[in-house]
Amino acid sequence: QSVLTQPPSVSAAPGQKVTISCSGSSSNIGINYVSWYRQLPGTTPKLLIYDNNKRPSEIPDRFSGSKSGTSATLGITGLQTGDEADYYCGTWDSSLTAYVFGSGTRVTVL
Amino acid sequence: QITLKESGPTLVKPTQTLTLTCTFSGFSLSTYGVGVGWVRQPPGKALEWLALIYWDDDKRISPSLKSRLTITKDTSKDQVVLTMTNMDPVDTATYFCVHKPWHQQGEYYFDFWGQGTLVTVSS
Repeated sequence: QSVLTQPPSVSAAPGQKVTISCSGSSSNIGINYVSWYRQLPGTTPKLLIYDNNKRPSEIPDRFSGSKSGTSATLGITGLQTGDEADYYCGTWDSSLTAYVFGSGTRVTVL
Repeated sequence: QITLKESGPTLVKPTQTLTLTCTFSGFSLSTYGVGVGWVRQPPGKALEWLALIYWDDDKRISPSLKSRLTITKDTSKDQVVLTMTNMDPVDTATYFCVHKPWHQQGEYYFDFWGQGTLVTVSS
């Protein structure tokens, strides 16, 4: 049972937008920054978003992050078939004194 | 260019001790605020953070595995070693080495990942 809750799957047609939620608590998302990772099938996870809403330079602005209270959201616009992957949120949990990942969300492009 | 690469056994028997080595390049683990850690992923399951060691030898270890994990560094060799005792089939997973950059507020995220190494626990 993950400390951070994500929907198991989301889907949309090419060109559309999807959002992925990450629900936590006051000891993790509520007080620490959130990061997001993408894992294409059979590959290594890759950092998409850090500090809630910042993108590494190589990540296109189709990807965005936000945080409100104890929840965070990843948005992907202009969905492409290459975006089919598993997406994970992550943050530090100050009560557990551990870094925690979400349960993961599979994005499917219809 | 930061790179990390994991090495170690691909098969271990139950109750044995697993030793994994992360060999990295493109940064120094003696640089203020930098850390190297480990994350694992059982087949078809989610990511799980295991441990992190900082530039100053400070360590953070997953509370659920604290009794079984040890993390050490050899700055002269640019290596970090993870040791996990009493291995069980449920520990079968791909183990990733990760880089944690310096952050002004000390926040955590992992910007570079190794390719991962699959470790199977079976008799």
